[in-house]
Amino acid sequence: GAVVSQHPSWVICKSGTSVKIECRSLDFQATTMFWYRQFPKQSLMLMATSNEGSKATYEQGVEKDKFLINHASLTLSTLTVTSAHPEDSSFYICSARVPGIATNEKLFFGSGTQLSVL
Amino acid sequence: GQQLNQSPQSMFIQEGEDVSMNCTSSSIFNTWLWYKQDPGEGPVLLIALYKAGELTSNGRLTAQFGITRKDSFLNISASIPSDVGIYFCAGQKNSGNTPLVFGKGTRLSVIA
Repeated sequence: GAVVSQHPSWVICKSGTSVKIECRSLDFQATTMFWYRQFPKQSLMLMATSNEGSKATYEQGVEKDKFLINHASLTLSTLTVTSAHPEDSSFYICSARVPGIATNEKLFFGSGTQLSVL
Repeated sequence: GQQLNQSPQSMFIQEGEDVSMNCTSSSIFNTWLWYKQDPGEGPVLLIALYKAGELTSNGRLTAQFGITRKDSFLNISASIPSDVGIYFCAGQKNSGNTPLVFGKGTRLSVIA
C-alpha cells in the first residue's frame, strides 16, 4: 500500500538553529501534502497545506516565515523550522493523499518527527 | 483552528469490556473518520464514513455517521491490550483535498 515516509523521526537542536523535516510519498505522486503539529496530549492542528510547484497555504496564526514549506517535487515536501525556540518543540506530522482518489482511505500519514529545542 | 468535541478524554477499562467514544461538532461535516495513534507514530485510519446515518464495521470496531452530520461515535467491542492508544475523530467538510479537522482524542488504557 501507499506509504508516506517522514524523516527524521526525532531531532534535538539548540535554540536559534533551523531544522528541516522531510515528507516523502514513496510509491505515489502527491500534488498536495498537509503539515500538522501536535503538542503533548493534544490533537493534530493543521499548520499548512503544501502544494507542488506553488506556495503553501498557511492556517491562521502560523508564521509562514518561521515555518518554511517547500514542495519542489511530486514526492517530497519539506518543512523547515527556522530559528527554532523551545516553544517550537512539538510532534510534527505530514500527510499525503493518493491523487485522483477522493476517498480518505487513500490519505496516509507519516510517522511524525519529534522536535525538541533546548 | 477549529476542533471537534471528542469525549471522553481518557478511559481505563478491563480487557474484554466494550468501549464507546463520540465526537460532536457545531457545524456539518460530509465525512467522518476515526484514527488510532500509537506513541511516536502518525495516525492510522480505522474507519471512514461518508453518508449520514451510515454504520460501518471493521472487525471489533463499529462507527456511525450521525443523521445530523454533526456527530459520530466509535465502539470497540471485547477490548484487548493492543487496543491501547489514542483514538481521534476527524471531519472533512468537503471532498477532495480539503484538510481534516481533528478531535482532541480519547486516550484508551486496557487493563489485562
